[in-house]
Amino acid sequence: AQRVTQPEKLLSVFKGAPVELKCNYSYSGSPELFWYVQYSRQRLQLLLRHISRESIKGFTADLNKGETSFHLKKPFAQEEDSAMYYCALRGNYGQNFVFGPGTRLSVLP
Amino acid sequence: NAGVTQTPKFQVLKTGQSMTLQCAQDMNHEYMSWYRQDPGMGLRLIHYSVGAGITDQGEVPNGYNVSRSTTEDFPLRLLSAAPSQTSVYFCASSRGGLGDTEAFFGQGTRLTVV
Repeated sequence: AQRVTQPEKLLSVFKGAPVELKCNYSYSGSPELFWYVQYSRQRLQLLLRHISRESIKGFTADLNKGETSFHLKKPFAQEEDSAMYYCALRGNYGQNFVFGPGTRLSVLP
Repeated sequence: NAGVTQTPKFQVLKTGQSMTLQCAQDMNHEYMSWYRQDPGMGLRLIHYSVGAGITDQGEVPNGYNVSRSTTEDFPLRLLSAAPSQTSVYFCASSRGGLGDTEAFFGQGTRLTVV
């Protein structure tokens, strides 16, 4: 079965502090992992994907197959990072995206 | 660059009414899907389509119907609205096939059933 868990519903940090949003997945094959972000009153948009190993807006995420994790990290949080973050995986069956429940990040001034 | 367009943006229905949420994409994507977004539950897949004429059920299909007569359009029908269907609905499309791809989302439809 495909499943994505995000243990934190809400994460509050102060501006300039490091932030880590946790994501764990279960999937029997070789998944593609993504982080999507939804800013207030905007549509979901792709933040980054594991396959490209890129850094977007200072965020990085490393796929750890041993721990089945894909945690999102940023060394210095900014107020404009406040948003809802969804971890997602795309498996082979139906090639659909399975989303986690989301973590709301609040960056305080 | 329209991308994925959903209509309407907001809708209020009475219990038992039916309606269709429209979704259109102009990227010639094979895959289209409908999700509902509820607090604390993230996005849950309702129905999806892997191409024109092909649809299948997702995680929460009850109470919803879909069809895919063209590549561009993927409407979602509520047959008899219930308060439990109050949610924000997102349509998404993506390129088919394996390999690196991403889902593109519409702006959402906020539905309230009273």
